[in-house]
Amino acid sequence: GDSVTQMEGPVTLSEEAFLTINCTYTATGYPSLFWYVQYPGEGLQLLLKATKADDKGSNKGFEATYRKETTSFHLEKGSVQVSDSAVYFCALRHGGATNKLIFGTGTLLAVQP
Amino acid sequence: DVKVTQSSRYLVKRTGEKVFLECVQDMDHENMFWYRQDPGLGLRLIYFSYDVKMKEKGDIPEGYSVSREKKERFSLILESASTNQTSMYLCASSPPPGQAYEQYFGPGTRLTVT
Repeated sequence: GDSVTQMEGPVTLSEEAFLTINCTYTATGYPSLFWYVQYPGEGLQLLLKATKADDKGSNKGFEATYRKETTSFHLEKGSVQVSDSAVYFCALRHGGATNKLIFGTGTLLAVQP
Repeated sequence: DVKVTQSSRYLVKRTGEKVFLECVQDMDHENMFWYRQDPGLGLRLIYFSYDVKMKEKGDIPEGYSVSREKKERFSLILESASTNQTSMYLCASSPPPGQAYEQYFGPGTRLTVT
């Protein structure tokens, strides 16, 4: 069945460092792909999404490109801030009429000043 | 803005109690979901509902049931709480696929069963 694999954390970076969080997927057809972020003590918020191959989603300085040839959707940011410390989840939309999502296990990012 | 609210942020219950977790959304969404979140396991789908009184099992439905009597409200029920149900519970809603694909999440309920 469909699945999402993302790099294990925690990822610890200094402020202004470059961030990459890897995400690969297994799916039939052409799923939509998402990155969600969970700040401490909160629910998940949509960070960015891409609905077809070669689409680039972007928000708040974060970017991810839907690469069908490598079945990947890696999250990147050029210069992280302490306020980016959170758990990041990669997800794909399961086909069907209900918008069901399949999530990766999450990657904890800790940014130090 | 879409708002999804959950009845409690923190809840402590005893083993064997019947527990109700409530979720309300204000955007007239057809689809609603209950997940549990555990370290190292990510989010796992317990149940979802695609219309009033309609429900389907997710990946881990055992020990849980749900109720959706009104479109805006989706309840998760732990029939007889056990310690292995200690977890963070997240509710989400989404419109039909033709409108948008993302889910909107509530703040979560951290349930401890002692």
